[in-house]
Amino acid sequence: GAVVSQHPSWVICKSGTSVKIECRSLDFQATTMFWYRQFPKQSLMLMATSNEGSKATYEQGVEKDKFLINHASLTLSTLTVTSAHPEDSSFYICSGSAAVQETQYFGPGTRLLVL
Amino acid sequence: DAKTTQPPSMDCAEGRAANLPCNHSTISGNEYVYWYRQIHSQGPQYIIHGLKNNETNEMASLIITEDRKSSTLILPHATLRDTAVYYCIAPPGGYQKVTFGTGTKLQVIP
Repeated sequence: GAVVSQHPSWVICKSGTSVKIECRSLDFQATTMFWYRQFPKQSLMLMATSNEGSKATYEQGVEKDKFLINHASLTLSTLTVTSAHPEDSSFYICSGSAAVQETQYFGPGTRLLVL
Repeated sequence: DAKTTQPPSMDCAEGRAANLPCNHSTISGNEYVYWYRQIHSQGPQYIIHGLKNNETNEMASLIITEDRKSSTLILPHATLRDTAVYYCIAPPGGYQKVTFGTGTKLQVIP
């Protein structure tokens, strides 16, 4: 199957700082990329959907000014958590698909801990 | 997307077939059934998907009932590495926005 990578795999930061997470599709062009968040013992929750070259579409309750998403190329999307707070500590997972009707392939996830 | 219902947990003996059921009675004609699994602390892994016909790949088989209201994922010879949470999802046709439910926690027992 297709491969998606994320960097970093884990990050610890101080409250109030910003953190950028990269998501790359390694062997396919991801027209659409998705960002999810998963809290302990819970299921994945979709945060936003982005199409290459377009603004991201955020799910209800997700602050677009806090979670900045950029999908500037067909192989790279970034999620920036601005002014992170302890409640933003979570497991962030991205996925990509070659087209809207194609299978999503997920990255390994990034664990964020905000102190 | 169609709501899916899965049992919260299942056990399976190592080497035996694991049969994971999923109900999706509200699925519409153009919605595929996808299966993913999530091993602890990792991102979900794609397993298989299908529309009407049964499907098989190197990981698993997918059996979809004729009325498409339910499906079964079959892991033919479960190993300890198959211990994971398995998600059955049916994204809306033409758009891959995926809603994950709580899935089935499969425990493979030695």
